[in-house]
Amino acid sequence: DAMVIQNPRYQVTQFGKPVTLSCSQTLNHNVMYWYQQKSSQAPKLLFHYYDKDFNNEADTPDNFQSRRPNTSFCFLDIRSPGLGDAAMYLCATSRDLGEDYNEQFFGPGTRLTVL
Amino acid sequence: GESVGLHLPTLSVQEGDNSIINCAYSNSASDYFIWYKQESGKGPQFIIDIRSNMDKRQGQRVTVLLNKTVKHLSLQIAATQPGDSAVYFCAEWEGNTPLVFGKGTRLSVIA
Repeated sequence: DAMVIQNPRYQVTQFGKPVTLSCSQTLNHNVMYWYQQKSSQAPKLLFHYYDKDFNNEADTPDNFQSRRPNTSFCFLDIRSPGLGDAAMYLCATSRDLGEDYNEQFFGPGTRLTVL
Repeated sequence: GESVGLHLPTLSVQEGDNSIINCAYSNSASDYFIWYKQESGKGPQFIIDIRSNMDKRQGQRVTVLLNKTVKHLSLQIAATQPGDSAVYFCAEWEGNTPLVFGKGTRLSVIA
C-alpha cells in the first residue's frame, strides 16, 4: 500500500547531540511537510518542501533543518536538541499545493526524547 | 495573527449517542477545511473535508457543517462508538500556508 513511513518510531538523544529523523513516501507526492507536536497540542508546521523548493515557517528555530534529496525522502535534522525539543515529529505529504490538492497524508510520527 | 481554534478541549459521550465537536476560525479568506482524527501514538487521519461553497457535507456516520457567517464549523458523529475515542482537530487552508491546526478536542466514549 502507498504510504508515508517514518523511521525510527522512537528516538532518544542526549542534550546537544545532533539527531536526524527520516521520512519516506510511496505516494509520489510533490509536497512533504514536517510538523512538531507536543503533548496535548496541535501539530505545528516547521517547514515544507514543494518539490525541491524549501519553505521555512517564520518561527521555526534555526536549530531545525531539513533535506529532501529526492521525491521519496525527506529528513529532519535537529542540530543541537534541547529539552524543549522533545515532541512527536510528524511527516506528511500532499499531491500538490492549492485547494484541489491539499489533503495531507500523515506518517505515524517519531517520538523524540531528549535526555 | 489569524488562527483556528476549538471551543472545548474535552468531550465525553455515551456509546450510541451523537457527538458534536465545534471549531471556530477567524480567517474569512479560508475556503477549505478538514477534520482530522488522531488516536494515541498515531499521526492525524483524514475524516472529512468541506469547501466554502458548501454548508454541509456527509460521510459515513460523520457530517461537517460550515457556517461562514459566524466562521464556525462542526463535526457530528452519529452513534458514537468506542473506536471514535481520539483527539479531533479542525484545520484550514490559509492562503499559501499549509494546514493550520486548531487546538484539538479529546473525545472520550463511555461504554
